[in-house]
Amino acid sequence: QVQLQESGPGLVKPSETLSLTCTVSGGSISGYYWSWVRQPPGKRLEWIAYIHNTGITNNTPSLRSRITTSLDTSKNQFSLKLSSVTAADTAVYYCARQGVIGGVTYFDYWGQGILVTVSS
Amino acid sequence: EIVLTQSPVTLSLSPGERATLSCRASQSVSSFLAWFQQKPGQAPRLLIYDASRRATGIPARFSGSGSGTDFTLTISSLEPEDFAVYYCQQRINWPGTFGQGTKVEIK
Repeated sequence: QVQLQESGPGLVKPSETLSLTCTVSGGSISGYYWSWVRQPPGKRLEWIAYIHNTGITNNTPSLRSRITTSLDTSKNQFSLKLSSVTAADTAVYYCARQGVIGGVTYFDYWGQGILVTVSS
Repeated sequence: EIVLTQSPVTLSLSPGERATLSCRASQSVSSFLAWFQQKPGQAPRLLIYDASRRATGIPARFSGSGSGTDFTLTISSLEPEDFAVYYCQQRINWPGTFGQGTKVEIK
């Protein structure tokens, strides 16, 4: 059974960089797209980035200049960095796998989520 | 960006009753739509993909229908564990946007 677990600081100061890591167990990180999805308090889920071990990446347009993603196959981990954070970046951040199970890929495995609060 | 609007926002039903949830897209998403269930403090769980296909391990009481801009998730007979928030997500373009959710609560 594939499992994902987010880790990182739960509190980040405004203007600093949010850094999260997702550790994948029970399966290989190679051959799949891996994503970050966030949910601000009281708002809908927002898909913000994905990465593949071949180097393919994509970031949501509204955050494109602030997002960096990376993937380490030796550690079965992938990471998210979001720079110059503000209170608007306060959210539960989920990592998720995109499984090829239909006409396109869908999120078939998710981490439990980590609440990141941006505050001084 | 495609906007997904779910209705109703809250659905109050009793166990054993039928639940019908709606998801409407601002433009066609063909059949590239998924439904997720989320319980408090838990990650979303994939229920339905490609609008009508049940994901692995999902009970037959969950069914999806629709194409284009109008989609429905039906729970034929609510079990106690089905009371949760349900989200739809479109996958026709990037970024695959989500609806705002429908909360199915115990009446």
